[in-house]
Amino acid sequence: GAGVSQSPRYKVAKRGQDVALRCDPISGHVSLFWYQQALGQGPEFLTYFQNEAQLDKSGLPSDRFFAERPEGSVSTLKIQRTQQEDSAVYLCASSFIGGTSGRNEQFFGPGTRLTVL
Amino acid sequence: AQSVSQHNHHVILSEAASLELGCNYSYGGTVNLFWYVQYPGQHLQLLLKYFSGDPLVKGIKGFEAEFIKSKFSFNLRKPSVQWSDTAEYFCAVNPLLYNNDMRFGAGTRLTVKP
Repeated sequence: GAGVSQSPRYKVAKRGQDVALRCDPISGHVSLFWYQQALGQGPEFLTYFQNEAQLDKSGLPSDRFFAERPEGSVSTLKIQRTQQEDSAVYLCASSFIGGTSGRNEQFFGPGTRLTVL
Repeated sequence: AQSVSQHNHHVILSEAASLELGCNYSYGGTVNLFWYVQYPGQHLQLLLKYFSGDPLVKGIKGFEAEFIKSKFSFNLRKPSVQWSDTAEYFCAVNPLLYNNDMRFGAGTRLTVKP
């Protein structure tokens, strides 16, 4: 496809369950970002990959959150022992250029809406 | 704390009215600035961006934004809005002194009445 895709689009989990959210970035994009968007808020940075290397995970809210991008393309965000406060839309974005200049546009996926009951 | 502030949470305008959405940030040093738009049921899309040069930036669909460094502001404007501009607008800052991530404001919901 031409854009960033994410799956599933919606996920309902019972508190304590583990979930895995997938992101397929645009082919050839070096950088991949995960954001968390709570209701009524803007996206908040979680973590950043350049190819397969996770260069920044400072935004991950707890050690229950784990992200990987083993082959430098598809990425998975895993949340263990989900809590109600994890309910949010999880956005994935990719950009063509790596590095820290920021001089590149991030293309966003549609997001996965996670509801934890 | 470092932040990106969007002053208006919800703006309601009639078609043909002029629009200005405020955005202020508190990061020092060089910043890259963005406005993203999210139409109902769609994903975030880039409206315009500023890296350097002319502080008045023109984007898609007749939108423009002005970077005023002394005011730490990057306000979004459109002279005449259309019903199809109904959407949520997010200001975002990439502070180059920090990491490569984007810092977003809370968003402004724009409703344009036909």
